[in-house]
Amino acid sequence: DAGVIQSPRHEVTEMGQEVTLRCKPISGHDYLFWYRQTMMRGLELLIYFNNNVPIDDSGMPEDRFSAKMPNASFSTLKIQPSEPRDSAVYFCASSRGRPNTGELFFGEGSRLTVL
Amino acid sequence: AQKITQTQPGMFVQEKEAVTLDCTYDTSDQSYGLFWYKQPSSGEMIFLIYQGSYDEQNATEGRYSLNFQKARKSANLVISASQLGDSAMYFCAMREGGAGGFKTIFGAGTRLFVKA
Repeated sequence: DAGVIQSPRHEVTEMGQEVTLRCKPISGHDYLFWYRQTMMRGLELLIYFNNNVPIDDSGMPEDRFSAKMPNASFSTLKIQPSEPRDSAVYFCASSRGRPNTGELFFGEGSRLTVL
Repeated sequence: AQKITQTQPGMFVQEKEAVTLDCTYDTSDQSYGLFWYKQPSSGEMIFLIYQGSYDEQNATEGRYSLNFQKARKSANLVISASQLGDSAMYFCAMREGGAGGFKTIFGAGTRLFVKA
């Protein structure tokens, strides 16, 4: 079975540009999570969805960040406008809901560099 | 509020010896799950082991075991017979199980170095 698929794997952009990161979760998983990993702040939960509905977006840094899940097989994380401090690895993960454990299945990550 | 603390930024262990990575957590939920993940230098996140808050036995998966002390709110990972391939970053994570759903947060991580 295919795992969580993220694209692009690497993105280099200039400050002020719009960035869109994409994620395809594992089929049948009803939770989807977006995390950001940096050396300084570790793995931060940005937002998570259940059955395509955002449940908790308290980790989204500011209004420049937005996330959508239009259907069960696709999610996007958008940054507009991007800033150098947004440089990080962005992970998407999915999991099954109850009664399962909630083990997260991660994508390979999207490494974003904002110049 | 939900919180995970890993107090060891880095640890060294001799090959073939056992090592314990510390993790403490804080939650007001009665139902929750605790996880350990491994992140090698290649960057992928690998699930290692899970412990449910109502599980009475400590979880084990091969060379990994989770020392769960509920009253102390600790969930330490024990790796037995360390191998060079165990050198990686290790993250403790907690999933709350209340009405909030499956929110999962991570600790800061511990970088493990296995010496030959």
